[in-house]
Amino acid sequence: DAGVIQSPRHEVTEMGQEVTLRCKLISGHNSLFWYRQTMMRGLELLIYFNNNVPIDDSGMPEDRFSAKMPNASFSTLKIQPSEPRDSAVYFCASSSNTYVGDGYTFGSGTRLTVV
Amino acid sequence: QKEVEQNSGPLSVPEGAIASLNCTYSDRGSQSFFWYRQYSGKSPELIMSIYSNGDKEDGRFTAQLNKASQYVSLLIRDSQPSDSATYLCAVPRGGSNYKLTFGKGTLLTVNP
Repeated sequence: DAGVIQSPRHEVTEMGQEVTLRCKLISGHNSLFWYRQTMMRGLELLIYFNNNVPIDDSGMPEDRFSAKMPNASFSTLKIQPSEPRDSAVYFCASSSNTYVGDGYTFGSGTRLTVV
Repeated sequence: QKEVEQNSGPLSVPEGAIASLNCTYSDRGSQSFFWYRQYSGKSPELIMSIYSNGDKEDGRFTAQLNKASQYVSLLIRDSQPSDSATYLCAVPRGGSNYKLTFGKGTLLTVNP
């Protein structure tokens, strides 16, 4: 089991550029969560997919953020245009069912710096 | 009141001591509670879950839940330097069975 795989591990980009973060779920998991972590706000849920369908995107900060899940094992989070306040660590996490009781398995995260 | 509150610390304990980490939550309807450990520069990993009032033990870790007081704690016995990390409390958000709300975490340092 390779775990949840995220890429890139680090991304430094200039303000205004497009950023795409990628996530590969654990095989057999059908729920996917994108979180953002900052010192000020801690871990915040951005969006949740179940069986490739976006269920809850109420945490997406604004229209500059978009997420897709083109198949059962892969998801992207795109920021266009990026701004310095988007600098954070972005985690994706997956679970094997819709019930949070089993907890999530997190990927290693993408540290995004927008300058 | 914030949904999930933790003392940010840092909490410093000597090796071999008991470390006590605390968390309060605002939603009385919450039924499940989780503790995650996050090493510096790493991702959170689940270490304990608890659903019923009382204590749940797993090795050196004990989770304690008091729903009446809306309080959940994590005790680490015989603390080791390798336990030094940030400990995050997580609670499903307001009636949801999938949205986990995380506290900001308590930084624990175990001194050799």
